[in-house]
Amino acid sequence: SQKIEQNSEALNIQEGKTATLTCNYTNYSPAYLQWYRQDPGRGPVFLLLIRENEKEKRKERLKVTFDTTLKQSLFHITASQPADSATYLCALDVNNAGNMLTFGGGTRLMVKP
Amino acid sequence: DAMVIQNPRYQVTQFGKPVTLSCSQTLNHNVMYWYQQKSSQAPKLLFHYYDKDFNNEADTPDNFQSRRPNTSFCFLDIRSPGLGDAAMYLCATSPGDRGTDTQYFGPGTRLTVL
Repeated sequence: SQKIEQNSEALNIQEGKTATLTCNYTNYSPAYLQWYRQDPGRGPVFLLLIRENEKEKRKERLKVTFDTTLKQSLFHITASQPADSATYLCALDVNNAGNMLTFGGGTRLMVKP
Repeated sequence: DAMVIQNPRYQVTQFGKPVTLSCSQTLNHNVMYWYQQKSSQAPKLLFHYYDKDFNNEADTPDNFQSRRPNTSFCFLDIRSPGLGDAAMYLCATSPGDRGTDTQYFGPGTRLTVL
């Protein structure tokens, strides 16, 4: 069966450290992968998109890697801040249809001052 | 600001009493989506419209219906809500450019079924 797996356990880190979140998938060959941030009681907000032919993408303190051989994406937040505390969701276009995303269950990040 | 708006933010209904959730967008996007999200779970796609074309997910219960009367508005109708339908309902839009569409979400409507 097709799966998108994110660590369901919360990740607790100290302010200033780098947070690394993992997204693993099976039985897909997605053309791209997206990361979203979701705060409690709010809708997800798009952060980054990385294509299958891109190894790495950066945006300010955020970095995403995409390894299509390992079927894995890593999401890094450097110099983390308490304001980065949220749930982070990865999403894939599992049908390569262009408009359809399937989301992972998300990983909750807690950055402590 | 251009955005996706959902009303109401909180909706309480009784078991079996029909309820309608609404979504509007000022982004002029072609595609509108409805997701159901339960606590600590992934958003689950219920259906989407590409312009006027309706696309229902195979496992979306018949109890859930949708209407899109124009580009800006989309409605989710739950004909006979059950206790298991209590969830956050998220509306999203995307431009409809095939290949790398990102989705823009509204704030969600939290539905409570008594």
